[in-house]
Amino acid sequence: AQSVTQLDSHVSVSEGTPVLLRCNYSSSYSPSLFWYVQHPNKGLQLLLKYTSAATLVKGINGFEAEFKKSETSFHLTKPSAHMSDAAEYFCCLGGQNFVFGPGTRLSVLP
Amino acid sequence: DAEITQSPRHKITETGRQVTLACHQTWNHNNMFWYRQDLGHGLRLIHYSYGVQDTNKGEVSDGYSVSRSNTEDLPLTLESAASSQTSVYFCASSEYITVSYNEQFFGPGTRLTVL
Repeated sequence: AQSVTQLDSHVSVSEGTPVLLRCNYSSSYSPSLFWYVQHPNKGLQLLLKYTSAATLVKGINGFEAEFKKSETSFHLTKPSAHMSDAAEYFCCLGGQNFVFGPGTRLSVLP
Repeated sequence: DAEITQSPRHKITETGRQVTLACHQTWNHNNMFWYRQDLGHGLRLIHYSYGVQDTNKGEVSDGYSVSRSNTEDLPLTLESAASSQTSVYFCASSEYITVSYNEQFFGPGTRLTVL
């Protein structure tokens, strides 16, 4: 069975400091993986996607994620947090059906 | 520009009433999905469709139904609304299931309250 785990329900960082949002997956075949962001009262927007072409994936707004098969992980990072990054982030495992993690709420403190 | 729209954006209804939420996409995507989003649960799949006349049950399909008569629309019907169905509902679409980089595009959501 496919599953996605997001290890932190809430992450709080100071503006200008690095962001790390963790995601682990379980899949019986080569996965496609996605990170989505949801701002309050909005729909989900795609940040980046892993499609087996390169293990380090760059997305919008300075975010990137690294696919590590040996660790079954796809953690999302950003070198320097901005106030506008405060949102809910969802890791997603693609395939015939999409499986979403429970989400991580990112708070950015001034 | 192509888009996916949902209507209404907000709906208040009473227990036992039938409610239909509309979803319309202009991407010309084969696949369409309905999710509900509740605190602590993330997004849970209700129903999905891989094409016209095709519908499938998802993780939390009890009390919901869908029908797909054309490519653009996948309405979600709550046959007899219950308070447990108070939630935010998202529609999404994607192109092909056989393409590995096949991301989903989401609508803005419908906030449904069942009193």
